[in-house]
Amino acid sequence: AQSVSQHNHHVILSEAASLELGCNYSYGGTVNLFWYVQYPGQHLQLLLKYFSGDPLVKGIKGFEAEFIKSKFSFNLRKPSVQWSDTAEYFCAGRDSGGYQKVTFGTGTKLQVIP
Amino acid sequence: DTEVTQTPKHLVMGMTNKKSLKCEQHMGHRAMYWYKQKAKKPPELMFVYSYEKLSINESVPSRFSPECPNSSLLNLHLHALQPEDSALYLCASSHGTAGELFFGEGSRLTVL
Repeated sequence: AQSVSQHNHHVILSEAASLELGCNYSYGGTVNLFWYVQYPGQHLQLLLKYFSGDPLVKGIKGFEAEFIKSKFSFNLRKPSVQWSDTAEYFCAGRDSGGYQKVTFGTGTKLQVIP
Repeated sequence: DTEVTQTPKHLVMGMTNKKSLKCEQHMGHRAMYWYKQKAKKPPELMFVYSYEKLSINESVPSRFSPECPNSSLLNLHLHALQPEDSALYLCASSHGTAGELFFGEGSRLTVL
């Protein structure tokens, strides 16, 4: 089945550390990929998206992700995390061949220690 | 704040009750979605409406009945639910079926 997978379930970092969260997808054709963040008690918010073009995508709050087709990956990065980045991060994807289903990965809980 | 509004925020219902969850967006989006999220799990797609027509039903039990009265509104009618249906129900919308999803804050449902 077409899906996305996240390997890091719980990540603990100190403030100012660099972050990389892994995401792999299994769609065979053209894909749309997303990273969403869910802060405690808040709604899911879009961090960034990839549809086509430049494989290095910059999002809000200093996050970026790189689409590497040869590795079926779309990892999320941030050079220096803050305590306020503590949240659940979801990678999501869609087969862009007209199909409407956006599928979410299992999520990574990020805990940033001051 | 999100531009997708869901009501109620919390709902407690018995297994014989009939209730409805409501979702509203005024962004002009023509695709609307219902997702279900259990604790510590990712959102799971339930239904997709495109231009007010049901386009995807992810084999959801008939005790969940979606309705899209117009392009701004999406309802989820609930009847004879089970305790395992307790979850956070998320509504989302997108400009088209290829755009990113904008989520509401969710309706937290508890079935007793």
